[in-house]
Amino acid sequence: QQQVKQSPQSLIVQKGGIPIINCAYENTAFDYFPWYQQFPGKGPALLIAIRPDVSEKKEGRFTISFNKSAKQFSLHIMDSQPGDSATYFCAARKMDSSYKLIFGSGTRLLVRP
Amino acid sequence: SQTIHQWPATLVQPVGSPLSLECTVEGTSNPNLYWYRQAAGRGLQLLFYSVGIGQISSEVPQNLSASRPQDRQFILSSKKLLLSDSGFYLCAWSVKGYEQYFGPGTRLTVT
Repeated sequence: QQQVKQSPQSLIVQKGGIPIINCAYENTAFDYFPWYQQFPGKGPALLIAIRPDVSEKKEGRFTISFNKSAKQFSLHIMDSQPGDSATYFCAARKMDSSYKLIFGSGTRLLVRP
Repeated sequence: SQTIHQWPATLVQPVGSPLSLECTVEGTSNPNLYWYRQAAGRGLQLLFYSVGIGQISSEVPQNLSASRPQDRQFILSSKKLLLSDSGFYLCAWSVKGYEQYFGPGTRLTVT
């Protein structure tokens, strides 16, 4: 089945906190797992991505943890800031010529000052 | 560097009118192209994708169609808009096997 389940639907943290967003997938024919950040009225922007042969990837304050056996991956935002308030989408890419992304339903993050 | 353009940025159209949204990509060749729709406060729904000129795959049967008349041009059309066609339309591109990038989007309101 081609689904990516994302949780939580919304998340509120204080500035400096570490919000964690989780995703799980059911199809093993995925080869790439990106995260996108979307601000209101804007197109999603690629934030960070990981391939299944790596268990963790860090870029600045953003970290992806990947558990291949559990078919789960998560986004951690270190030292969160009010400017991180946005909607975050996880995705999984199909291993065929379409290179389609299967998106999670999104998480609305609010970082309070 | 590569850039992606969408126009118009916003559009208000009456029910039953036609639609044409355009997306162009610069700085790359033979990209995969994608059209998504996002309802207010919702997720991303893939509508169409194209792996080459004239090659269109539809993901969701609906009132819309897509065309790719040139390598870096992707058009989303409708002959008669419905209220349910309102939403935020996003075009995206990727070089085959690499990251997918989104355009700025078109906000469509059908009245």
